[in-house]
Amino acid sequence: QLQLQESGPGLVKPSETLSLICSVSAGSISSSGYYWGWIRQPPGKGLEWIGSIYYSGSTYYNPSLKSRVTISVDTSKTHFSLKLSSVTAADTAVYYCARQYLLPDAFDVWGQGTMVTVSS
Amino acid sequence: SSDLTQDPAVSVALGQTVRITCQGDSLRSYYASWYQQKPGQAPKLVFYAKNNRPSGIPDRFSGSSSGNTASLTITGAQAEDEADYYCNSRDSSDNHWVFGGGTKLTVL
Repeated sequence: QLQLQESGPGLVKPSETLSLICSVSAGSISSSGYYWGWIRQPPGKGLEWIGSIYYSGSTYYNPSLKSRVTISVDTSKTHFSLKLSSVTAADTAVYYCARQYLLPDAFDVWGQGTMVTVSS
Repeated sequence: SSDLTQDPAVSVALGQTVRITCQGDSLRSYYASWYQQKPGQAPKLVFYAKNNRPSGIPDRFSGSSSGNTASLTITGAQAEDEADYYCNSRDSSDNHWVFGGGTKLTVL
């Protein structure tokens, strides 16, 4: 059964870059028909799509975050990554990675999420 | 871009039927997916597209769509259905996705 697990620092300083990894087990990032996405949720607020990547490397980003976001796939195809630069307190959130089924679209498998706090 | 609008809160009596709605222009072109999130947990997919329910999701969860509105219906709501529910869909930019603001469902 496919499992996703986020990992990375729980505390990031303002103006620095947030870096997270999503490890994929019991499945392959190279599976056709799926994107791999990042979603975040600030404390007490709703979900926000950050961006998605296809195993070939094609990426799609939320326009509101596009200038600061980079999503990449590891060459081993066992994990994909999120980098968010120039972070502020507004980027404090639980960050989730998810498998994204396409046509019809759905985020069908989610990681448990990891809390990232931006603070000096 | 496109916004998806949900009612912030909805309540239903135990065993009764409740409909949670999601409105947005992009829903005229794309199907919605629906997610249930309980406190401290990751969201869970409960329904998507025209008629797709993931394995393990009770058949009391169903979905529908008309015009710019998608709906998630729970027929015979149970106490364990109390949660936040989010819709999601592509926006008019095609390869971008957007979540609704979420609906907090209370089962009375």
